[in-house]
Amino acid sequence: QSALTQPPSVSGSPGQSVTISCTGTSSDVGRYNRVSWYQQPPGTAPKLMIYEVTSRPSGVPDRFSGSKSDNTASLTISGLQAEDEADYYCSSYTTNTTWVFGGGTKVTVL
Amino acid sequence: EVQLVESGGGLFQPGGSLRLSCAASGFTFSSSWMHWVRQGPGKGLVWVSRLNSDGSNTIYADSVKGRFTISRDNAKNMLFLQMSSLGVEDTAVYYCARGSGSYFTSWGQGTLVTVSS
Repeated sequence: QSALTQPPSVSGSPGQSVTISCTGTSSDVGRYNRVSWYQQPPGTAPKLMIYEVTSRPSGVPDRFSGSKSDNTASLTISGLQAEDEADYYCSSYTTNTTWVFGGGTKVTVL
Repeated sequence: EVQLVESGGGLFQPGGSLRLSCAASGFTFSSSWMHWVRQGPGKGLVWVSRLNSDGSNTIYADSVKGRFTISRDNAKNMLFLQMSSLGVEDTAVYYCARGSGSYFTSWGQGTLVTVSS
């Protein structure tokens, strides 16, 4: 199972919006609405930010939103804040009943 | 509060074996699917294995199939990963994670496994 494709980095100024793409195949992202997103600041464990494409766990700011079109899912951070600087990973359930992650995207707040 | 605490990491020789442990608290462990996910130095997350709530069904990534075994002790709220035939490519921080459907709701802080001669 190949990793999902994410851009290595994105950046934006405080208050701006950034979008991270996550491209898979018809065997994972395109097949199910089972895409999730995780935030990982340096030296810490991942934290769930979005699940089942668009749902936010309690406590996650509504600045974070998810979407999906065909084989590509996206995470948008609106009103970017300094505390949002971290690595972000997408994940999808697959037709092999396994899970696959993206390679990760580093978000930099300028 | 959900807590997952991994242990058992360290420096190991190629071809060797080890067992990682994950102590769970703050939720109904016996009702939860559990996963192991690893992260190589400076690299991304890689899913390793999943175990269902009663321990009867397992699944593994191709890269570890036949070498790693996931198990659990629901009476002690413990998750394990038995690792054998270690290679340098197994060097990583290993996280245990609580599953809910298709996603990972909670993560431990990880334990570092280094495979080197």
